[in-house]
Parts: sequence; C-alpha cells; structure tokens
Amino acid sequence: AQKITQTQPGMFVQEKEAVTLDCTYDTSDPSYGLFWYKQPSSGEMIFLIYQGSYDQQNATEGRYSLNFQKARKSANLVISASQLGDSAMYFCAMHRRNNNDMRFGAGTRLTVKP
Amino acid sequence: DTAVSQTPKYLVTQMGNDKSIKCEQNLGHDTMYWYKQDSKKFLKIMFSYNNKELIINETVPNRFSPKSPDKAHLNLHINSLELGDSAVYFCASSRGAGLNTEAFFGQGTRLTVV
Repeated sequence: AQKITQTQPGMFVQEKEAVTLDCTYDTSDPSYGLFWYKQPSSGEMIFLIYQGSYDQQNATEGRYSLNFQKARKSANLVISASQLGDSAMYFCAMHRRNNNDMRFGAGTRLTVKP
Repeated sequence: DTAVSQTPKYLVTQMGNDKSIKCEQNLGHDTMYWYKQDSKKFLKIMFSYNNKELIINETVPNRFSPKSPDKAHLNLHINSLELGDSAVYFCASSRGAGLNTEAFFGQGTRLTVV
C-alpha cells in the first residue's frame, strides 16, 4: 500500500522568505503522480502543483516549486517569497496511475509571520 | 459554475439518525471520491468510484453506503450515526485511472453528531 509522510506538523516562516515543506512517499508502482494542496482556514482544498513520476524536470507554478528526488522518494514543496495569505495547512498527496487511489499525508500547518 | 458541489454544507443531527450527503460534478470526470477529514485535519480516503463502479472501499463501517446513480453523482448515506462520525466529509473528482491528474474538491460537509 502506498504511504505518504509529512514529518513537520507545523512550520513558521518570516514574510518574504522561502520555506520548504517536506514530503516522502513509498510505493512500488513505477507510475504515479504527486500533488500538493493548500487548505486555508476557510476549509476548501486548493490544488497547487503536480509532478509525474516520469517527469524529468521539477514542476513549478508561480511561487511554488516541487523539489522531486525520485531515488529518495521525496517531493518537497518550496514556497518562495512567502506571503501572509500562505498561512494554511498543506497536504502532499500521491495518485497511483493504475487505480483510482489518491492518498494524503498528515499535513503541515504553515504560519507566515509579518 | 461550481465544479464539484456538495449538499448540505452543514449537517447537525442526533445519534442514531440516518443522513445523506449529495455530491455532483460537472467536469465530465470518470472518478469520484469520498474523504473524511477528522479534527486533526487528517484526510482519509473512504471510497472511490470509476464510472459508477466501486473501486476502493477503505475499511469503512458498513453503516456508510456510497451510491453512484451516474458518473456525475456520488452520494454518501450514513445509517445509525455515531458521535465518532463527526467530521468534515469531502467529495472529489478526477479524470480517472491511468491519468495523473489532480482531484477537484467540493467545499466539504461538516457533520456534527450530538
């Protein structure tokens, strides 16, 4: 069974600085997708970024980038130039290509300090 | 136009009652999910469906019964509600197996059992 681990229950970052949120995963499937979602205090789940297991380059979306290290089975989210509005829960997720199974890590609560 | 809509948004009910949560997606997706988010924010997959067919049933008590009348709808019926069922329930959809694609989430249904 696949497993997604986020070891940082909470993180603090100063406004305008960069922060890295850790995610490791475990799967024997060769084909899978990795995702990051943001959940602000209002509760909705917002998709941020995606990385495919065969993608050669790290994904980037605006201030978000995904540091994908396949051999280490890690998919860390990097947020550059943090803003107060980035304060939220962040979830790492993995979708296995061969079935309809998307699972989430326990989440990291990010707080951006002014 | 809301892509994935759940009703109701809030549900307060007494122990022992039976209740349903409805979910509809207008994205043309083949796969739909139900997740339970507990008070610690952990997102646990409950069910996934692909084209109305049950794919994943993740050791959920049989008091929970999903029903998919067509691929655009996945409803969740809960019998004999218990205090421990209090949580936020999220419906989500994605394009389906074989495609690495993000899940689109509904706004969640906050269920409170008293």
